[in-house]
Amino acid sequence: ELKVEQNPLFLSMQEGKNYTIYCNYSTTSDRLYWYRQDPGKSLESLFVLLSNGAVKQEGRLMASLDTKARLSTLHITAAVHDLSATYFCAVDHGGSQGNLIFGKGTKLSVKP
Amino acid sequence: EPEVTQTPSHQVTQMGQEVILRCVPISNHLYFYWYRQILGQKVEFLVSFYNNEISEKSEIFDDQFSVERPDGSNFTLKIRSTKLEDSAMYFCASSGEGGGEKLFFGSGTQLSVL
Repeated sequence: ELKVEQNPLFLSMQEGKNYTIYCNYSTTSDRLYWYRQDPGKSLESLFVLLSNGAVKQEGRLMASLDTKARLSTLHITAAVHDLSATYFCAVDHGGSQGNLIFGKGTKLSVKP
Repeated sequence: EPEVTQTPSHQVTQMGQEVILRCVPISNHLYFYWYRQILGQKVEFLVSFYNNEISEKSEIFDDQFSVERPDGSNFTLKIRSTKLEDSAMYFCASSGEGGGEKLFFGSGTQLSVL
């Protein structure tokens, strides 16, 4: 059974600081996704990582994938309040496209 | 920008009643999905749909659940006899073709079973 574990589950940061969210998964997978969710809202796609060593960056967020270690990271650089949200990683289950197993999410709070 | 739309945004029903949740996926996508999220918990896969049939379904998607693409644009999730534990936010998503690997999620339907 594929398991996806994120840590930390809660993260309180000061603006301007850097931090990393970790996503470990238990079996091989071809695709790893990062999503952002604001309270009461839908899931916004941030990154899709498709191969070992993939690195993608968008603004203050950078995601990477190490398929050998079964680890993805989401790095936050110089955090701002607008980044406060819950961040989910999700791993493709390997069956049909789009059967994603989600982590529990990391609730990020960026304080001024 | 194209988006997945869901209706209604909120649905309140009595236990044992049937509900139909509606979704309009992005028009050039090929794969359609339903996920749910119980309050404060993680997002869970229910079912994927491709080429007018179910591709895969989870253990949650039992005989009380069904999906349909009745007219080439709508994608519906029916729960035949709702239970209290079906209360959750239900998200529709679509992907493929123009969208590639990325899943685009709708804004969700909050289902409350009383």
